[in-house]
Amino acid sequence: DGGITQSPKYLFRKEGQNVTLSCEQNLNHDAMYWYRQDPGQGLRLIYYSQIVNDFQKGDIAEGYSVSREKKESFPLTVTSAQKNPTAFYLCASSLSGAGANVLTFGAGSRLTVL
Amino acid sequence: AQKITQTQPGMFVQEKEAVTLDCTYDTSDQSYGLFWYKQPSSGEMIFLIYQGSYDEQNATEGRYSLNFQKARKSANLVISASQLGDSAMYFCAMREPYQGGKLIFGQGTELSVKP
Repeated sequence: DGGITQSPKYLFRKEGQNVTLSCEQNLNHDAMYWYRQDPGQGLRLIYYSQIVNDFQKGDIAEGYSVSREKKESFPLTVTSAQKNPTAFYLCASSLSGAGANVLTFGAGSRLTVL
Repeated sequence: AQKITQTQPGMFVQEKEAVTLDCTYDTSDQSYGLFWYKQPSSGEMIFLIYQGSYDEQNATEGRYSLNFQKARKSANLVISASQLGDSAMYFCAMREPYQGGKLIFGQGTELSVKP
């Protein structure tokens, strides 16, 4: 079955460490997205990519970096510059960034900074 | 700037009754799309229903319907015959054209269904 795989599901990090969250999709979707969710809050956009080798900053990109070297993959690196990285991270993809194309989400990665 | 507002942090409904979750939006575009997602305690986001700004009929998907009032800029989700499995967070979201397909989400409403 097609879908989005995020790993790891849970991740613990010490302050000052960079961590990379994996996001892989086999839906043949062009567009991919990273969102952050804090407890009791909605989703905020970190980065998005409409095509391979191109991506744009979302509303809260500071302290994060991404790459899009393959259509299937859109990893997110949480750097030590991110002041409050403890959160739930959701990756999503869609056929294209238009109209009624639905965003399909992965199961999420929960990052805790110790 | 586009904005989504969900004013009900939490709602309770009796099993088998209908419930309406409110959503208002702000946009200067004439063309846009509105989405509702469900997030159970497991954290996954499940797509429920979509309404395009030019759609004349309110969208329906099984027990879900979207009460779209364009002039009021509201897109309320109606769940009929609530079930215990409907207990979850519900998010309203909007997409504008030429914005890379990104969705802007509201703060969410936590729905609890009582037996």
